[in-house]
Amino acid sequence: DTGVSQNPRHKITKRGQNVTFRCDPISEHNRLYWYRQTLGQGPEFLTYFQNEAQLEKSRLLSDRFSAERPKGSFSTLEIQRTEQGDSAMYLCASSPRGTAEGQKRETQYFGPGTRLLVL
Amino acid sequence: LAKTTQPISMDSYEGQEVNITCSHNNIATNDYITWYQQFPSQGPRFIIQGYKTKVTNEVASLFIPADRKSSTLSLPRVSLSDTAVYYCLVGLQGGKLIFGQGTELSVKP
Repeated sequence: DTGVSQNPRHKITKRGQNVTFRCDPISEHNRLYWYRQTLGQGPEFLTYFQNEAQLEKSRLLSDRFSAERPKGSFSTLEIQRTEQGDSAMYLCASSPRGTAEGQKRETQYFGPGTRLLVL
Repeated sequence: LAKTTQPISMDSYEGQEVNITCSHNNIATNDYITWYQQFPSQGPRFIIQGYKTKVTNEVASLFIPADRKSSTLSLPRVSLSDTAVYYCLVGLQGGKLIFGQGTELSVKP
């Protein structure tokens, strides 16, 4: 399977614990995105990488959240001191970097997501 | 970034054609219109994208009038497996996608 993969698919943790999610993008894709989705809502942007550089972070991404993409390939999203409000589906997507014009119409390919439940 | 408005939910029966309309009154000149489909417990999946007039692929058609202030996703002869949430997105904000609430399509036998 050459699509975007995410691990784990499900995570149950207790409030206050740290969790880390991994995303493996499509191999030739330079851009990698993290989104969060709560029940009944569309995905919300969290952050994105161009190769290993983190180019933008949403205000949704509090200090307890950190994302890395150390070698420009896979990425990790860590949540420290989890809270019940962090319960959500965390989605990763990737896209190839196109031309400036192409970026106006780029397609993002999503992984299956990691569903987090904080008790 | 252009705001989109689409119905929250729609019902249909197997074999019918389904049309979901999205309003985007303040679409910018360079903005493309993109539709994604999302099944429960899965990530969104790209369906179709267009700039103007009509675009058709093996899954759907996208109709865009001349003023581009709206667009209609057309799903021919839906089946139960088309039950999903459909998102209309307009443009890109620094490369990231801005999703609305989407339209929850329910296909009944």
